[in-house]
Amino acid sequence: GAVVSQHPSWVICKSGTSVKIECRSLDFQATTMFWYRQFPKQSLMLMATSNEGSKATYEQGVEKDKFLINHASLTLSTLTVTSAHPEDSSFYICSARDGRGNNQPQHFGDGTRLSIL
Amino acid sequence: TQLLEQSPQFLSIQEGENLTVYCNSSSVFSSLQWYRQEPGEGPVLLVTVVTGGEVKKLKRLTFQFGDARKDSSLHITAAQPGDTGLYLCAGGRTGTASKLTFGTGTRLQVTL
Repeated sequence: GAVVSQHPSWVICKSGTSVKIECRSLDFQATTMFWYRQFPKQSLMLMATSNEGSKATYEQGVEKDKFLINHASLTLSTLTVTSAHPEDSSFYICSARDGRGNNQPQHFGDGTRLSIL
Repeated sequence: TQLLEQSPQFLSIQEGENLTVYCNSSSVFSSLQWYRQEPGEGPVLLVTVVTGGEVKKLKRLTFQFGDARKDSSLHITAAQPGDTGLYLCAGGRTGTASKLTFGTGTRLQVTL
């Protein structure tokens, strides 16, 4: 089945640090990847849609200068949390869509737990 | 704004009991997916339904998409401790770049 790898799985860093999270589709090409944020005991909230070779589309209320997204190839998207602060601590999850068409499922990575001290 | 409301929010039952989780919306979706998520992991896709009235079965799990494609249900028969987790429904709409809108989630705990 389709596998999405997310790295790192856990990051602890000091306030003011920038953190990069990678999302890779291992056995399929993903023209579109998605980045979500999940707070404890809550559902997933879409942050942005990452399109290969073009700028990401951010959801309302998400700061694009704070959360930089790069989708340089069909198998890799990165999310950089710039100058992270404690309020940025959260569980970040990426997903990749296998194939074209609106009914194709999204396959999720295992998430990255970000803790800012 | 959460467009997909799930109920119940939390359910604690004993092994062997049956349960139903509901996913409701006032909006029409072209597809509806159900995921299960365990702590510290990403959601895992259980099923996708696309046709109004569609019923799909996955072992002890039965999924139904409402006739109007605004709601869905997940029924688990003879629940087992391994069914414990966060169940999420997610709706997709044609022409929205395949974005999913996730439901509010139902946390299921199955005890021995």
